[in-house]
Formats: sequence, C-alpha cells, structure tokens
Amino acid sequence: DAGVIQSPRHEVTEMGQEVTLRCKPISGHDYLFWYRQTMMRGLELLIYFNNNVPIDDSGMPEDRFSAKMPNASFSTLKIQPSEPRDSAVYFCASSPRTGGLTEAFFGQGTRLTVV
Amino acid sequence: AQKITQTQPGMFVQEKEAVTLDCTYDTSDPSYGLFWYKQPSSGEMIFLIYQGSYDQQNATEGRYSLNFQKARKSANLVISASQLGDSAMYFCAMRELGNTGFQKLVFGTGTRLLVSP
Repeated sequence: DAGVIQSPRHEVTEMGQEVTLRCKPISGHDYLFWYRQTMMRGLELLIYFNNNVPIDDSGMPEDRFSAKMPNASFSTLKIQPSEPRDSAVYFCASSPRTGGLTEAFFGQGTRLTVV
Repeated sequence: AQKITQTQPGMFVQEKEAVTLDCTYDTSDPSYGLFWYKQPSSGEMIFLIYQGSYDQQNATEGRYSLNFQKARKSANLVISASQLGDSAMYFCAMRELGNTGFQKLVFGTGTRLLVSP
C-alpha cells in the first residue's frame, strides 16, 4: 500500500481565499484523523471519522473550517475564508478498527501558508 | 484538561548514551493504548512503539523501550545507544477505548531530542 496520501504538499494562498486539503487513507482503514501542527499549539486533533461518519469535531477551531469524508477513500478539510493564523502543517492519519487500540499512520502533511 | 503531558521541551544526549523521555497521561478508562512517534526535521510522523493498558510487560522495539508504570500513569520512552539520527521531536500519544466505542488519538506537546557526537 502507498500509505496515507495527502495533497497538496505545499499550499500558499492569500487571505480570504478558500483552501481545500485532500487525504486518501490507507485502504481498509476505518478511522481517519485530521490534525493541525503549529509551534505554539503543537499537534491538535481537529476532527476524526469512523466509517466515513464524523465522530468528534470539537477540535475544529471555528466555522471557517469544515471536513467531509464522502467515501472510504477520500476526505477533505476546507478553510473558507482562510486567514494568516491558519498557517500550519495539516496532517491526515488513518488507522484500522481492530480489536485493539492500534497506531495511526500519518500522511506527509500539507504545509499551508496564508499571506 | 491535558490528557498527555510531556514536561521536557528539550533533551540533550551524547551519542551511544541512553536517554529517557518522560510522558504522563490522564484517563479513567481501564482500556487504553499509549504510543510514541518520532518526527525528524523532514516532518513525517513515524510510529515507534505501542503499550496497551493490559500488557503485563513493557514494550520493546529494537533500541526503543517503554517504561510503563500504570499506577503512576507514566509511559516513558527509553532510547538506548543513541545515534545522531535519533535527533528529532518525540511525541507521546494515547488512545482511549471509551464507552462510546470510538477511539480518538491525542498527542502531547512533544520533546525535542538532540544527540551530539
């Protein structure tokens, strides 16, 4: 398997523009997580899905952020409108739902810069 | 409330020495898993080691071992025989099974390890 695939790897956009980050989880994985990493706040869990259903979005910072998972092989994180404080590395991760508590596999991340 | 606490923002160790990175956690769930990830300067998140709450023995993976003290709610990572390539950020993380049946994965703030020659 190719692992978790995120696109784009880098995104530079102007304040006020819409930004869409994409994630393809590992095939067969039931969980999908979106994280944001900044120097100030570390690695924050934004939202996670199980079987394409959003389970907990309490980490989404505000209404400008939205996430969808229309099918088992694709998820998006959208920011509209974007602001400079949204600049961060956004990670997507997936994990299987087995009997135990398994590790999550991370994508390479999307580095977002809002100017 | 902070679920995972890593109190060491930075650690220094000499090559070939052992180093311990601290992690304490907070949960009332009897079923949980603890994880350590490494993030080198290139940015990817690399899974290192896992410890389940019901595991009787401390987990080991090569030069990595997890010093699990359940009563103290600590899960320290021990790296033996440090190498220059071990210089990176290290994150402790926890998954709780919970009564909802769903498992979120939350991270600590990380410890930056620098290995010197």
